[in-house]
Amino acid sequence: GAGVSQSPRYKVAKRGQDVALRCDPISGHVSLFWYQQALGQGPEFLTYFQNEAQLDKSGLPSDRFFAERPEGSVSTLKIQRTQQEDSAVYLCASSLMVLAPYNEQFFGPGTRLTVL
Amino acid sequence: AQSVTQLDSQVPVFEEAPVELRCNYSSSVSVYLFWYVQYPNQGLQLLLKYLSGSTLVKGINGFEAEFNKSQTSFHLRKPSVHISDTAEYFCAVVREYGNKLVFGSGTILRVKS
Repeated sequence: GAGVSQSPRYKVAKRGQDVALRCDPISGHVSLFWYQQALGQGPEFLTYFQNEAQLDKSGLPSDRFFAERPEGSVSTLKIQRTQQEDSAVYLCASSLMVLAPYNEQFFGPGTRLTVL
Repeated sequence: AQSVTQLDSQVPVFEEAPVELRCNYSSSVSVYLFWYVQYPNQGLQLLLKYLSGSTLVKGINGFEAEFNKSQTSFHLRKPSVHISDTAEYFCAVVREYGNKLVFGSGTILRVKS
């Protein structure tokens, strides 16, 4: 069956440009997560949606980062005025249930963002 | 808050040798523990998880892990590795009734022939 897909897989942006990263979760999955994985590091939580509601955005590093999931399915992570420190792999994950331990997260392949 | 420590950034091992990847965690509340594997240019794949019950957990690809509450550890083991096990391995926790995963910094397992 179809897993979590992300597009684009690779994105190169000039410093100061805006970028939009897309996540298509597994159909029917209620929860959707965004994580940021810097080079040589583990993924770090950015934000969480339950259906269309953004319930936790405590991990967003600055107000340049914005995420949405308007219809409770596809999600977009937008980064405005990109900076070099934004270079990372952005991972999306979805889960059928809401709370641990029942919410096994399934990860997409990630979008590798390089800011020049 | 929770934190996860993976002390070994890289572990080289010869094919068919045993391997242990170490993971220690810190949390003031109950947590569930996970090991994920990441192959190059792929997403994270769940290897195994500890939710409750037996402290020895078996996962896919012949991996197993043992939860030790007193030592706050969840080390990953495999008795005999293959070249195809070369990948990066991440230990993660989620607090009870929570949802976001907290990851360690990862351990690259390099299997040599």
